[in-house]
Amino acid sequence: SAVISQKPSRDICQRGTSLTIQCQVDSQVTMMFWYRQQPGQSLTLIATANQGSEATYESGFVIDKFPISRPNLTFSTLTVSNMSPEDSSIYLCSVEEGAGDYEQYFGPGTRLTVT
Amino acid sequence: QKEVEQNSGPLSVPEGAIASLNCTYSDRGSQSFFWYRQYSGKSPELIMSIYSNGDKEDGRFTAQLNKASQYVSLLIRDSQPSDSATYLCAVDTGRRALTFGSGTRLQVQP
Repeated sequence: SAVISQKPSRDICQRGTSLTIQCQVDSQVTMMFWYRQQPGQSLTLIATANQGSEATYESGFVIDKFPISRPNLTFSTLTVSNMSPEDSSIYLCSVEEGAGDYEQYFGPGTRLTVT
Repeated sequence: QKEVEQNSGPLSVPEGAIASLNCTYSDRGSQSFFWYRQYSGKSPELIMSIYSNGDKEDGRFTAQLNKASQYVSLLIRDSQPSDSATYLCAVDTGRRALTFGSGTRLQVQP
């Protein structure tokens, strides 16, 4: 499977600021996804990011709060804007691999704490 | 009703036993089903995918899918302490994006 890296691995930020998380893949992939895992919870999809098109956001997530870029087939960024303590979570990117029957693989995650 | 339901556990089994993890889903149009393992502080790791009714085996792992009953399960044979983790069931309803269950915590007792 593809090797996925994320930067930063963790950060502590003050409320009201913004953080941009980078996701890099070692091969070209069409579909990338951003998920959030709040403390003690399971994963929730934030948005789907396809190269060359606007990201598709899930219910409860908006572009102004979580702007996403997908400039090419190996890279994506997620920005968490105007942060509050409720944004403290692990943010994970994933990529889809396979043709027909596909699978999703996750990056190592970014642990964000907002104070 | 949650879209993907799992018993949160913990499910405790002795070393060498079979661990049985269960998951139900609500959307009959669901196409693809996945089991992920997540160790504490780590990201989810894909261990099994299943797309059609029946059983799929990979080493000590067997995934079972019954679309009529909207039920998917994971069996872990010869459980090892290193299998202790949270197991996440994920379902794709056809949008190529995954909906996750809350996870089942498995404890394998030496």
